[in-house]
Amino acid sequence: GAVVSQHPSRVICKSGTSVKIECRSLDFQATTMFWYRQFPKQSLMLMATSNEGSKATYEQGVEKDKFLINHASLTLSTLTVTSAHPEDSSFYICSAAGWADYGYTFGSGTRLTVV
Amino acid sequence: AQKVTQAQTEISVVEKEDVTLDCVYETRDTTYYLFWYKQPPSGELVFLIRRNSFDEQNEISGRYSWNFQKSTSSFNFTITASQVVDSAVYFCALSLIYNQGGKLIFGQGTELSVKP
Repeated sequence: GAVVSQHPSRVICKSGTSVKIECRSLDFQATTMFWYRQFPKQSLMLMATSNEGSKATYEQGVEKDKFLINHASLTLSTLTVTSAHPEDSSFYICSAAGWADYGYTFGSGTRLTVV
Repeated sequence: AQKVTQAQTEISVVEKEDVTLDCVYETRDTTYYLFWYKQPPSGELVFLIRRNSFDEQNEISGRYSWNFQKSTSSFNFTITASQVVDSAVYFCALSLIYNQGGKLIFGQGTELSVKP
């Protein structure tokens, strides 16, 4: 079946630094990647949608200059949290969709803690 | 606009009890897709089922069953003879375009706790 590898699974960073999260589709081409954020005891909130080779479409209220999304290839998408602050501490999870009938394949998530 | 409502925030049952998780959705589109996902404490999302709006047949998979009723815009999930390993957060979700480009809209989730 389809697999999306997400790294790192956990990261702790200092306030003001940037963190990059990677999602790779291992056995299919991910033409669309969705990035979600989940705070404790809350649902998954879509941050942005990116199509390979195009600029990401951000949901209302999500700062595009803070959450940089790159989807330059059909197998790799990255989310960079720039100048991270404690309020950015959250669980970030990606979901890939491709041409095959795999539906939405989720990565295993990244737990970001900003100290 | 589309919306998914899971009114039950938390449910606690004793092992072997049956439990039903409710899901009500809103959309004006006639073509849509409904999903259930399980999120254990580790955080990953486990796909359970997908249904399209034209298939109202109920489905059973082992101890899991789903009841899709368009008349009430509901897609409820029942676990029969619950087990401790069923403890997790369960999400119902809706998409208008399956696969390509269609974002998933999640309900608030229901945290199920199954006690021995």
